[in-house]
Amino acid sequence: EAGVVQSPRYKIIEKKQPVAFWCNPISGHNTLYWYLQNLGQGPELLIRYENEEAVDDSQLPKDRFSAERLKGVDSTLKIQPAELGDSAVYLCASSSYRDPDTQYFGPGTRLTVL
Amino acid sequence: AQSVTQPDIHITVSEGASLELRCNYSYGATPYLFWYVQSPGQGLQLLLKYFSGDTLVQGIKGFEAEFKRSQSSFNLRKPSVHWSDAAEYFCAALNAGGTSYGKLTFGQGTILTVHP
Repeated sequence: EAGVVQSPRYKIIEKKQPVAFWCNPISGHNTLYWYLQNLGQGPELLIRYENEEAVDDSQLPKDRFSAERLKGVDSTLKIQPAELGDSAVYLCASSSYRDPDTQYFGPGTRLTVL
Repeated sequence: AQSVTQPDIHITVSEGASLELRCNYSYGATPYLFWYVQSPGQGLQLLLKYFSGDTLVQGIKGFEAEFKRSQSSFNLRKPSVHWSDAAEYFCAALNAGGTSYGKLTFGQGTILTVHP
């Protein structure tokens, strides 16, 4: 069974530029999560999707961040415009309805904003 | 506020030595508890989890963890460390109900260095 797939793995951009990250969850997993991991810290939840519905986006900075999961499978997280402080690792995770309390993580996208 | 604390930022052990990584949680009720491991440039791999029942749980790669309600702790242990165990370890707790259901709260992580 393939794990959570994320792309790109690394991204370097200039500040004020837009950037997008893509995530494909484990097949059959209905719940998808985006986490932000700053250097030297544990991940923090940005948004959680149940199928195509964002059920918890309370931690998503909506002035510059947006996310979508149009068909309830893969998802895109966007930042526009990026700021220096957005440099971090963006992790995607998924869980299934059979075991909703266990989250499986992808390798992450490391973003560097110059 | 709900929180997870890993008191040790960095631990160094010799290969073959035993290991214990500490984790304390502060929650209104007993949360679901997890240990994840992250190798450099990699995502988080689940080592083990505790939901209920037997307080000693076994995980992958020879790791185990013990839930102690009286101490609000969920420490990770391994009897003999291998060089390949060098990584960063995260303890996490899950909101199993309420408006923040599904939100994992992580500790700040413990970096493990293994000396040959």
